[in-house]
Amino acid sequence: DVKVTQSSRYLVKRTGEKVFLECVQDMDHENMFWYRQDPGLGLRLIYFSYDVKMKEKGDIPEGYSVSREKKERFSLILESASTNQTSMYLCASSRDTFEAFFGQGTRLTVV
Amino acid sequence: AQSVTQLDSQVPVFEEAPVELRCNYSSSVSVYLFWYVQYPNQGLQLLLKYLSGSTLVKGINGFEAEFNKSQTSFHLRKPSVHISDTAEYFCAVSDVGAGNMLTFGGGTRLMVKP
Repeated sequence: DVKVTQSSRYLVKRTGEKVFLECVQDMDHENMFWYRQDPGLGLRLIYFSYDVKMKEKGDIPEGYSVSREKKERFSLILESASTNQTSMYLCASSRDTFEAFFGQGTRLTVV
Repeated sequence: AQSVTQLDSQVPVFEEAPVELRCNYSSSVSVYLFWYVQYPNQGLQLLLKYLSGSTLVKGINGFEAEFNKSQTSFHLRKPSVHISDTAEYFCAVSDVGAGNMLTFGGGTRLMVKP
């Protein structure tokens, strides 16, 4: 069964902390994505990667960075967390059929 | 740039009634179209997709959608809903040739009442 696993379901962090969100997929997919989900706004693309060590900015990259050192793992980094980054974060992966497989999501609260 | 508009943020409906969730998109090029469903406290899963061919696409759980190029729409329908269909539904679009870049609509919350 296809699987995208996000390391945490819920996280609470303090303003100014550096935050790491981890995502692992077991499908040998080339493409991986990080989205942010907010009510009424749908999903907005933060960053994506189409290969190891490659990354591209999405629609809302400000305040975030990413790392992809291995094909199966894609990390989202909040360099200095702020309250406006409180949100649901979704990781996804895909191959070439445009079907994206999503993880369960990480609900991050920044206090 | 492409955009996706889901015209209804919430759709309440009684069990066994038909439902239509509306989706319109704007794009200057050919597109691929998708509907995803998100059950409470879960990630998204694919309901159906249109890549080419027949404009009527059938998906899982009895859902179907019709691609209308002239109206730039991809509305999702089900003839008879169940309580278990209560979820949030997202329409998404990807430009042909743009790789796997999906643009999502704002979502429609389907609330099925007994």
